[in-house]
Amino acid sequence: GAGVSQSPSNKVTEKGKDVELRCDPISGHTALYWYRQSLGQGLEFLIYFQGNSAPDKSGLPSDRFSAERTGGSVSTLTIQRTQQEDSAVYLCASSLMPGGSYEQYFGPGTRLTVT
Amino acid sequence: KNQVEQSPQSLIILEGKNCTLQCNYTVSPFSNLRWYKQDTGRGPVSLTIMTFSENTKSNGRYTATLDADTKQSSLHITASQLSDSASYICVVPDSGTYKYIFGTGTRLKVLA
Repeated sequence: GAGVSQSPSNKVTEKGKDVELRCDPISGHTALYWYRQSLGQGLEFLIYFQGNSAPDKSGLPSDRFSAERTGGSVSTLTIQRTQQEDSAVYLCASSLMPGGSYEQYFGPGTRLTVT
Repeated sequence: KNQVEQSPQSLIILEGKNCTLQCNYTVSPFSNLRWYKQDTGRGPVSLTIMTFSENTKSNGRYTATLDADTKQSSLHITASQLSDSASYICVVPDSGTYKYIFGTGTRLKVLA
């Protein structure tokens, strides 16, 4: 595909269940970001991957959140024991290289609803 | 603390009218500022990137301005169309990191 894709587009889960969100970045893009967007809020940084370097996990809100990026391409964001406050849109973005001068391309997001 | 603030929070205009959205930032040192358009249910899409040396940049009916001295940017939309209804987000790279600071956006609604 030409752009960043994410799946699923919508996910409804019960409180306490685990969920996995997937991101397929643009081919060749070395930098990958996960963000969370709550209603009426700006995008909140969660985690950043760059090539084979250790990820920057400084934005993860709790140890229930984790992410991995396999082979420098596809990334999975996992939320364990989901809580209602985890309900939000989770956005993935990729860029050719890290740094402010490079364009970020966003996926359509996964809307997570925890009931 | 580096911040990006946008105003107004929301705006309603009639089709064909012009409007201007504002963005103030406190990020230093400054490298660039981006404006994104986010349609409902979609990810943000870049409209323009302004670097330190640029004062004005146009993308069709969208014109962005930057005043690096006052740390202000504006996005002017000319002859608005129904399809301009969206959230407009101002973004500045966080100095010294690979992170970005996002404003909370301006939600624009264009009415027929």
